[in-house]
Amino acid sequence: GQNIDQPTEMTATEGAIVQINCTYQTSGFNGLFWYQQHAGEAPTFLSYNVLDGLEEKGRFSSFLSRSKGYSYLLLKELQMKDSASYLCAVLDSNYQLIWGAGTKLIIKP
Amino acid sequence: DGGITQSPKYLFRKEGQNVTLSCEQNLNHDAMYWYRQDPGQGLRLIYYSQIVNDFQKGDIAEGYSVSREKKESFPLTVTSAQKNPTAFYLCATTGQPQETQYFGPGTRLLVL
Repeated sequence: GQNIDQPTEMTATEGAIVQINCTYQTSGFNGLFWYQQHAGEAPTFLSYNVLDGLEEKGRFSSFLSRSKGYSYLLLKELQMKDSASYLCAVLDSNYQLIWGAGTKLIIKP
Repeated sequence: DGGITQSPKYLFRKEGQNVTLSCEQNLNHDAMYWYRQDPGQGLRLIYYSQIVNDFQKGDIAEGYSVSREKKESFPLTVTSAQKNPTAFYLCATTGQPQETQYFGPGTRLLVL
């Protein structure tokens, strides 16, 4: 079966750095996405990785290792508004998106 | 102003009632999707449509129906056969980069 694993919840301090991991086992791979979802709202697109390595976009970076079936989202200089759920999703060989359950990130002052 | 709209924001369903959730887009995207999200769970695909007048079942299509008569519109009907309809329903289209999905604001369905 296809599976994506993420931690259920993480806590971090304002101004710090946090890394949210995602491991996947899917039938084929055509890219990995990270989305941010604030409580009661729709997910919004953060990043897309299809090649190995690090993609940096402001305070957020996303890393991919296809051989390990592993990605992480790195958030720097955490702000209170970063409190949200972070969803990992993989595009499989049929170009269907497989979604993880999401990681709820709690930021403390 | 391009985007995806969903209505209503909240919807209440009575026992035995069918309800229809609206999804409209003016992004000129071909593909549209319906997801269901339950607390603490990932998004689950209900139905999707790659082109007008064609749609495919997702992982949890039972108790739901859709139509795609126009490119801009992809309404979802939650039928009385769906015994546990309380959830957050999200409509999405596909854009760039590769197959990135963009979501409407969602409809929260509650059972009376």
